[in-house]
Amino acid sequence: GEDVEQSLFLSVREGDSSVINCTYTDSSSTYLYWYKQEPGAGLQLLTYIFSNMDMKQDQRLTVLLNKKDKHLSLRIADTQTGDSAIYFCAESIMDSSYKLIFGSGTRLLVRP
Amino acid sequence: DGGITQSPKYLFRKEGQNVTLSCEQNLNHDAMYWYRQDPGQGLRLIYYSQIVNDFQKGDIAEGYSVSREKKESFPLTVTSAQKNPTAFYLCASSMVGSGTDTQYFGPGTRLTVL
Repeated sequence: GEDVEQSLFLSVREGDSSVINCTYTDSSSTYLYWYKQEPGAGLQLLTYIFSNMDMKQDQRLTVLLNKKDKHLSLRIADTQTGDSAIYFCAESIMDSSYKLIFGSGTRLLVRP
Repeated sequence: DGGITQSPKYLFRKEGQNVTLSCEQNLNHDAMYWYRQDPGQGLRLIYYSQIVNDFQKGDIAEGYSVSREKKESFPLTVTSAQKNPTAFYLCASSMVGSGTDTQYFGPGTRLTVL
């Protein structure tokens, strides 16, 4: 079955690194995504990684993918108070529906 | 300025009434999607459409209906048959066959049933 799991909450101090983790179950995933949601807003695409890649870096963001363990992580370097938000992991399924399966989100709180 | 717009931002409905949420995109995307978000939960797919005049049910389609008469528009009707319609509704779109199938989201509509 298709399932994506994330831890519910993460608190870090401003300037530290944040690591948000995600596990997924469908081995046929093609792409894995990270989205950011601020209060009352829609989802903002942060980055994505193709399933045959191990790592992708984009400025302060680093995505690591362990395909064997079906584990995805998002590292945010030099975390700022503006990074406080809910972060969603999502996987795309290799079928005709172009569906995304979302985790329940990790709430990141950045303390000054 | 390209993007996805949803209206209204807030919507209040009395029990027993149907209500229609608007979603428009000018990204020339083929596919459009409707998701429902409840507090502390992820997004659940209601309906999706990959081409004009065609759409498919998602995981929680009961009590909802859609139409796709134009490429840029995908309105969602929440009917009186939906038992618990109070939620945050998100519309998304993507290019079909682009490789990534990346979905881009609108700002959402918060529906409250009084």
